[in-house]
Amino acid sequence: GQQLNQSPQSMFIQEGEDVSMNCTSSSIFNTWLWYKQDPGEGPVLLIALYKAGELTSNGRLTAQFGITRKDSFLNISASIPSDVGIYFCAGRPFTGTALIFGKGTTLSVSS
Amino acid sequence: EAGVAQSPRYKIIEKRQSVAFWCNPISGHATLYWYQQILGQGPKLLIQFQNNGVVDDSQLPKDRFSAERLKGVDSTLKIQPAKLEDSAVYLCASSFGQGGEKLFFGSGTQLSVL
Repeated sequence: GQQLNQSPQSMFIQEGEDVSMNCTSSSIFNTWLWYKQDPGEGPVLLIALYKAGELTSNGRLTAQFGITRKDSFLNISASIPSDVGIYFCAGRPFTGTALIFGKGTTLSVSS
Repeated sequence: EAGVAQSPRYKIIEKRQSVAFWCNPISGHATLYWYQQILGQGPKLLIQFQNNGVVDDSQLPKDRFSAERLKGVDSTLKIQPAKLEDSAVYLCASSFGQGGEKLFFGSGTQLSVL
């Protein structure tokens, strides 16, 4: 089946640093979304992207839908301790309606 | 606005026993999804409903898993009999339309099979 390759698998950063993570696929997608999951909770939607090349911000978060439709990245600027969690990319392929998720990037922030 | 409600939050059973999970989606959301999330992995779709009809159940292990959404609102996911490898978090999500652009998740049910 279709898979999303998300990297890095984990990151350890200092408070105030910027963070970048990305997601790639061998197939094209018509929607990319980024979710954050805290321990014991379900994923929470951060940003949704609908057009190739689209760049969207949500506070300190910025995400882009790759031109090839096969990738997306998420940047977090000036990280703070509450940014700790697991970040998932998710894509909706043209051939289906449900989202396919990456394996996640675990972010740790030290103050 | 109330979010997606799931119960129970935790369940511990022995292998070969049966278990059921319940989900109530956000009011007005026609599409409901059940995802399985194994530790260290991203959520994996088990089944998708549009109102009370099944849209996609291609990854549902139908020999032991079943799901229903009889009145097009809340849903139940059942496992019978459970295996050790079924230990996971079962997440319910809903979206307004069938496009799946924005899924809203519940807190999940953490299942441990001993």
